[in-house]
Amino acid sequence: SAVISQKPSRDICQRGTSLTIQCQVDSQVTMMFWYRQQPGQSLTLIATANQGSEATYESGFVIDKFPISRPNLTFSTLTVSNMSPEDSSIYLCSVEPGRGREETQYFGPGTRLLVL
Amino acid sequence: SQKIEQNSEALNIQEGKTATLTCNYTNYSPAYLQWYRQDPGRGPVFLLLIRENEKEKRKERLKVTFDTTLKQSLFHITASQPADSATYLCALVADSWGKLQFGAGTQVVVTP
Repeated sequence: SAVISQKPSRDICQRGTSLTIQCQVDSQVTMMFWYRQQPGQSLTLIATANQGSEATYESGFVIDKFPISRPNLTFSTLTVSNMSPEDSSIYLCSVEPGRGREETQYFGPGTRLLVL
Repeated sequence: SQKIEQNSEALNIQEGKTATLTCNYTNYSPAYLQWYRQDPGRGPVFLLLIRENEKEKRKERLKVTFDTTLKQSLFHITASQPADSATYLCALVADSWGKLQFGAGTQVVVTP
């Protein structure tokens, strides 16, 4: 298993600004994922972040809007850039501790973002 | 990508009864399918994984079935309790790297 923390837990931001969300894992993991969950909706994968390589973005998400860093095997950041009210959402990171050994994903508590 | 369908209407059920949730998908059968529980303001928590060659999987009061012919998984909560009230998400593995695609979830409300 894995224990994941996220910072901040919530924030209220002005449009046009940027927010960086941090994700910390208590163990080294290869696979990390960033999701968005809009009110009443399910989780939508933004990107997959593997240490030592560029993040892989899903259709509809671009690096300029959601730059991701993955400096080591226990940490990642997601930046929501040039925010608009449509970016109001919950952002979650998740990890898959061991590909081939354990396919389950463990999620952080989420960052609740409100853009005014 | 797949289209994953879960009942959008909340399932209201009396304590002690069995809740049955449905997850249907449209395209290829995934190598495995997972069920998660999500409480308000929290991230999803993994419950069960069932592989394509497994018909049924159990964990305590939970049971999952997987029918690749019907392209459907059923999730059962037996002897339901108010503490089981939450939203339940099904997720299908989308590629060999473990990328998951989630359904919209079904909210379960168990009343005493």
